Amino acid sequence: AQSVTQPDIHITVSEGASLELRCNYSYGATPYLFWYVQSPGQGLQLLLKYFSGDTLVQGIKGFEAEFKRSQSSFNLRKPSVHWSDAAEYFCAVTGTASKLTFGTGTRLQVTL
Amino acid sequence: EAGVTQFPSHSVIEKGQTVTLRCDPISGHDNLYWYRRVMGKEIKFLLHFVKESKQDESGMPNNRFLAERTGGTYSTLKVQPAELEDSGVYFCASSQSPFGLDEQYFGPGTRLTVT
Repeated sequence: AQSVTQPDIHITVSEGASLELRCNYSYGATPYLFWYVQSPGQGLQLLLKYFSGDTLVQGIKGFEAEFKRSQSSFNLRKPSVHWSDAAEYFCAVTGTASKLTFGTGTRLQVTL
Repeated sequence: EAGVTQFPSHSVIEKGQTVTLRCDPISGHDNLYWYRRVMGKEIKFLLHFVKESKQDESGMPNNRFLAERTGGTYSTLKVQPAELEDSGVYFCASSQSPFGLDEQYFGPGTRLTVT
């Protein structure tokens, strides 16, 4: 069965600092990987996705993620965090079926 | 273009009562999904409609949950009778393609509290 682990429940970074959110997945075949963000009162918004090809994926709002098959990881990064990035971030995986399997989420707090 | 909408945004009911959640997908999206997040846990898949047909309902917790999608447009999720463990946030999502390659667009969720 597929699964996603986000080991960090809560992370605090200073505005302007770099950010890396960890995601490890378990899936028997080639996975399709996603990062979603949920701001307060909003639905989940897709930041980026990986299907195939270049393992470094660029997304919206200056985010990027790198797929590392050998480590079963898909970590999310941003070089300089803005206060508006404070939100909850979810990593998800799917395969040939369309249902998404999510991690438990990482809540990001940004200090000024 | 309007996004996925859900109604109500919040619902507080007593154990044993009935609640119906509604989801309006993006116009033209044949695929509609329901997910649920219990506090502190991951977002879990409940079921998937393709038009009015249930494609996959493997995530439905038990027979107290009934999902419908009349005419392949909006969908309702009824919980009857509600139990304490049904509390959580219920998300709806829609997509054009049923395959994993397609983005699922999520609504803001309905927060259900069962007391």
